[in-house]
Amino acid sequence: EAQVTQNPRYLITVTGKKLTVTCSQNMNHEYMSWYRQDPGLGLRQIYYSMNVEVTDKGDVPEGYKVSRKEKRNFPLILESPSPNQTSLYFCASSSHLGLPGANVLTFGAGSRLTVL
Amino acid sequence: GQQLNQSPQSMFIQEGEDVSMNCTSSSIFNTWLWYKQDPGEGPVLLIALYKAGELTSNGRLTAQFGITRKDSFLNISASIPSDVGIYFCAGQLFRLGNEKLTFGTGTRLTIIP
Repeated sequence: EAQVTQNPRYLITVTGKKLTVTCSQNMNHEYMSWYRQDPGLGLRQIYYSMNVEVTDKGDVPEGYKVSRKEKRNFPLILESPSPNQTSLYFCASSSHLGLPGANVLTFGAGSRLTVL
Repeated sequence: GQQLNQSPQSMFIQEGEDVSMNCTSSSIFNTWLWYKQDPGEGPVLLIALYKAGELTSNGRLTAQFGITRKDSFLNISASIPSDVGIYFCAGQLFRLGNEKLTFGTGTRLTIIP
């Protein structure tokens, strides 16, 4: 089944304890992206990647890092989490965001992160 | 970063009623997408629009790409309980070096028994 898989789905951690949220897609998609969802703010892009070894900042990149060493994986790293990073995080992928008809994002099920 | 204005923010309706929501932007797009997020899940694509003035249906859902290219509308006819969720619009302007989809703030739909 074509899907985007995120782990963990739920995580409670403490301020300053490094964590990684993994994301993997099995559709051979070039484009991958991370979003955070907060009440009243919708989906805001954190980082995105057009292809392997190509990453760029989205609208709210502060406090996050990403890497794209392989096409299928795009982990989100919080080096020193803070309470304002408590949110619902989504990973998404598409075949190529620059082509009409190809910009349909497939989303993972979400990772709910709480930073105490 | 830019965000789209989506309205209403929330809706409380009775089963069987029709629903209308819209999304507006200060800049033009050449693609509009509508997604639905079920509770505890990620957003799933409902309808994609690629041409100004385009009207597209998917079952009881109908979406339109505004003529000005700065807005889009989603209508749901004869709502049923499984329509509950958050609806997001998303816009994109194809331009070299700018591949990003911009999402709206969402419309939360609740059906009153």
